[in-house]
Amino acid sequence: EVQLVESGGGLVQPGGSLRLSCAASGFTFSSYEMNWVRQAPGKGLEWVSYISSSGSTIYYADSVKGRFTISRDNAKNSLYLQMNSLRAEDTAVYYCARDIYGSGNDYWGQGTLVTVSS
Amino acid sequence: AIWMTQSPSLLSASTGDRVTISCRMSQGISSYLAWYQQKPGKAPELLIYAASTLQSGVPSRFSGSGSGTDFTLTISCLQSEDFATYYCQQYYSFPRTFGQGTKVEIK
Repeated sequence: EVQLVESGGGLVQPGGSLRLSCAASGFTFSSYEMNWVRQAPGKGLEWVSYISSSGSTIYYADSVKGRFTISRDNAKNSLYLQMNSLRAEDTAVYYCARDIYGSGNDYWGQGTLVTVSS
Repeated sequence: AIWMTQSPSLLSASTGDRVTISCRMSQGISSYLAWYQQKPGKAPELLIYAASTLQSGVPSRFSGSGSGTDFTLTISCLQSEDFATYYCQQYYSFPRTFGQGTKVEIK
């Protein structure tokens, strides 16, 4: 069974940092591209970042470029999102999602809440 | 970036109704479009990909159509479990973008 489990969310002050993790199981993690998608309270979905299966290709939304860094450790079946210089508008539930080329995001984690507030 | 206009934002319907949600792109994306369903407090679930291909396990009352710039999600006979919010997403290019969402509520 495919499972994605996010962790690392919490309350952080503006300007602070947080590192999110996504533990993958039930599939060959190293063969799949991955994404981070977030959802602010009461709002819609916002794509945040993408990483290819090898980690060699990475993209970011303009809203997080220069502040967030996506990475992966295929040996540990894990995806990460390092978030620096956090702002109030980064408050959201962050989901990791498996990417199937040509098919969208077929599996999602349950999400982890990040709250940026003083 | 590709801009998406999803409509309506709110749709009031009754069980058994046929409902249609639209997604329009600012430029052509071939068929690189997915539809997701999200229920309160839950992660989104993939319903349709490649504009019209039903994800495994999704009921056949869901269907998708379109290509290029105009796309449609249709629920042929609304069931109680279908009351949720629906999003389109283009994966033709980066940044990936989602529509604003359509909340399907009970009339």
